[in-house]
Amino acid sequence: EIVLTQSPGTLSLSPGERVTLSCRASQSVSSDSVAWYQQKPGQAPRVLIYGASSRATGIPHRFSGRGSGTDFTLSISRLEPEDFAVYYCQQYGSSRSFGQGTKVEIK
Amino acid sequence: EVQLVESGGSVVRPGGSLRLSCTGSGFTFDDFGMSWVRQAPGKGLEWVSSINWNGGITSYGDSVKGRFTISRDNAKKSLFLQMNRLGAEDTALYFCARGELYFDYWGQGIPVTVSS
Repeated sequence: EIVLTQSPGTLSLSPGERVTLSCRASQSVSSDSVAWYQQKPGQAPRVLIYGASSRATGIPHRFSGRGSGTDFTLSISRLEPEDFAVYYCQQYGSSRSFGQGTKVEIK
Repeated sequence: EVQLVESGGSVVRPGGSLRLSCTGSGFTFDDFGMSWVRQAPGKGLEWVSSINWNGGITSYGDSVKGRFTISRDNAKKSLFLQMNRLGAEDTALYFCARGELYFDYWGQGIPVTVSS
């Protein structure tokens, strides 16, 4: 089983700042099969990125994903008020598994 | 508009069984694989199970393998999760999601509580 480790656990930031979230896999993820999700309290998750770097339908351009092998990142170029949430990475190269999440909170 | 609506959640005693259902609308149901993902209270997401478009390929997370069974009825645009030998660790909000690999639409979730 591929274990995904996200860091940091929590980020305290202000609107307008740039943020980069990290997701490290315990072994190489084939074909860059990584997705990123955003989840707000009381809501279902929403997919942001799939295939490590492809934005899902309707996702703003301020969200971008990159990475390969064992190291993947999600960046938000300028934080908007609605971006404060928990972010999860997920791999689907070998079975499926999620990271433990990174909470982005308002400073 | 794609919609996924779960049903069947309940309070069940340890060792008991439960069957969850999910009905899809707004898309061609049998064009897509489907999955179940769960979230224990205050915790992160855990993949539970996935099924391909015609039900011929199924896969399960290690924690539910041998206890849970995923199935689908394309004529009824429905996805199911039969859960047996439930334990306290299965208490969670269960989400139905579209997709076999990654998940592009999600239901709002249905709570399952395992408690005596």
